[in-house]
Amino acid sequence: AQKVTQAQTEISVVEKEDVTLDCVYETRDTTYYLFWYKQPPSGELVFLIRRNSFDEQNEISGRYSWNFQKSTSSFNFTITASQVVDSAVYFCALSEEEAGTALIFGKGTTLSVSS
Amino acid sequence: DTEVTQTPKHLVMGMTNKKSLKCEQHMGHRAMYWYKQKAKKPPELMFVYSYEKLSINESVPSRFSPECPNSSLLNLHLHALQPEDSALYLCASSQAHLGGRTEAFFGQGTRLTVV
Repeated sequence: AQKVTQAQTEISVVEKEDVTLDCVYETRDTTYYLFWYKQPPSGELVFLIRRNSFDEQNEISGRYSWNFQKSTSSFNFTITASQVVDSAVYFCALSEEEAGTALIFGKGTTLSVSS
Repeated sequence: DTEVTQTPKHLVMGMTNKKSLKCEQHMGHRAMYWYKQKAKKPPELMFVYSYEKLSINESVPSRFSPECPNSSLLNLHLHALQPEDSALYLCASSQAHLGGRTEAFFGQGTRLTVV
């Protein structure tokens, strides 16, 4: 069974629009960690955020915000007032402490922001 | 310094060649990883080293041979590869493989082409 599902394969928006990238995860562990990474065309995966399973507080960092809801097993990512530089592939990932798994990535969402 | 450095950035090799990919980090991280990423796919875990010992091998063919000479270096030795092994090879490191310090920092990758 897929452990991290990013149902949106591609999203296209115009600059200044808000956009939300969805992530749904599946795990039996009680202790786990969720991540978002950005991969621009250069190829490097850029770490954006880590959330542990005991911390459901939402987080805001500049134009980025994250909504973690254990009840729906979701960890969604919103970009406010999108910019062309936000164009990239965004991956949601999960690591499980009890199961001892390293990062398990979703299939990624390609975001294209046009001017 | 939050850099993971990979060399070379690009590599073209024949199916009978032997080559090595190199990865270096100076963040004091004790876990290091090799991931393989095909075009338009998420990264797939190949190997995990924790405290310089191989802790996870995701059933990778023996033509890929990892080596961790010390806590800062990670190599991936390549021999008798197939054209389907062409991909972006990403190295990453994190403070620990398990527990609350699992966010991984990635290098820019080596784009490997097997001819």
